[in-house]
Amino acid sequence: KQEVTQIPAALSVPEGENLVLNCSFTDSAIYNLQWFRQDPGKGLTSLLLIQSSQREQTSGRLNASLDKSSGRSTLYIAASQPGDSATYLCAVRPGSGGYNKLIFGAGTRLAVHP
Amino acid sequence: EAGVAQSPRYKIIEKRQSVAFWCNPISGHATLYWYQQILGQGPKLLIQFQNNGVVDDSQLPKDRFSAERLKGVDSTLKIQPAKLEDSAVYLCASSLDGITGGYTFGSGTRLTVV
Repeated sequence: KQEVTQIPAALSVPEGENLVLNCSFTDSAIYNLQWFRQDPGKGLTSLLLIQSSQREQTSGRLNASLDKSSGRSTLYIAASQPGDSATYLCAVRPGSGGYNKLIFGAGTRLAVHP
Repeated sequence: EAGVAQSPRYKIIEKRQSVAFWCNPISGHATLYWYQQILGQGPKLLIQFQNNGVVDDSQLPKDRFSAERLKGVDSTLKIQPAKLEDSAVYLCASSLDGITGGYTFGSGTRLTVV
């Protein structure tokens, strides 16, 4: 059974710091991995999608890496800003594709203070 | 393109009452998902539709939860009767084909059962 774990559960940093959020999954047979952002009271916004054949994806100040064999992904946020404060969720789509559901971690709550 | 629309945004009901949520996915998206997100946890899939057929409802408490997707477009999720532990955010998401690419989530419905 696939399980997704995110560490740390919460993080508070001063503005301007570079930071890393970690995601691990128990079964390396995944189709893709996706990072989401969730603001309080809001839905999920997709940040980055990494296919199983890829090693990383970048969007602006965000960089996500994937090491499928070790069951790990990291989300790197450069030069953090107060507007980055949110919960960041990692989700994997198991298996070789098909109509497999996303399995989520519990998220990392990030607070960036001025 | 318009996003995934959900209503209502908030709902407070007493236990043993019934409640229904509505979702309108992105036009042309064949796959529709209902997720339940309990406070402090990641979203958990309740049911997945491909067009108007059910692909996965293995984690749907069928004694009290039901869902339908008429004509392969809009969907409703119903709870009858509600329990205190059903208090959560109910998220609807859609995907172009359910196999490749990512998800788009709606803003969710926050349900409080008292």
